[in-house]
Amino acid sequence: GEDVEQSLFLSVREGDSSVINCTYTDSSSTYLYWYKQEPGAGLQLLTYIFSNMDMKQDQRLTVLLNKKDKHLSLRIADTQTGDSAIYFCAESLLGGRRALTFGSGTRLQVQP
Amino acid sequence: NAGVTQTPKFQVLKTGQSMTLQCAQDMNHEYMSWYRQDPGMGLRLIHYSVGAGITDQGEVPNGYNVSRSTTEDFPLRLLSAAPSQTSVYFCASRLLSTDTQYFGPGTRLTVL
Repeated sequence: GEDVEQSLFLSVREGDSSVINCTYTDSSSTYLYWYKQEPGAGLQLLTYIFSNMDMKQDQRLTVLLNKKDKHLSLRIADTQTGDSAIYFCAESLLGGRRALTFGSGTRLQVQP
Repeated sequence: NAGVTQTPKFQVLKTGQSMTLQCAQDMNHEYMSWYRQDPGMGLRLIHYSVGAGITDQGEVPNGYNVSRSTTEDFPLRLLSAAPSQTSVYFCASRLLSTDTQYFGPGTRLTVL
């Protein structure tokens, strides 16, 4: 079945790196996504990785995918207070509805 | 492009009332969907549509109806609101040829 899990909370100091982790169960995932949600706002697509890739870097963001362990991580370098938000991991599957299955979100708190 | 728009932003209903949440997109996306977001549960798919005239159920469809008479609009109807439908509702859309979904800003619904 489809299941995406994330830890609920992460606190870091400004300037440090943040690593947000996600595990998923369905090996037929095609794309894996990271979305950011600021308070009172919708979801903003940050980055995504195709399931045949191991790593993707986009400015301060690095996505690592371990297909064997079904583990996805998002690293934010030089974390800023503006990065404080909830981060959702999501997967889309081959065929069928191709809808997104979301994790419950990780709240990132950046302390000055 | 306005992207994905949703109205209203906030709504309070009494149990048993009906209402329609509006969603529109101007990107000519074939695929549109509705999610609800509840604390600690991520986003769950309610209904989706792969094109005008075609709709299907998602993970939590009970209590909700949808229709897709045009490519642009995908309204979500609550026929008899219940307190369990208190949630934040997000509409999303994408091209069928891609997996990248774009989300609206959300509608916060409270049912008393």
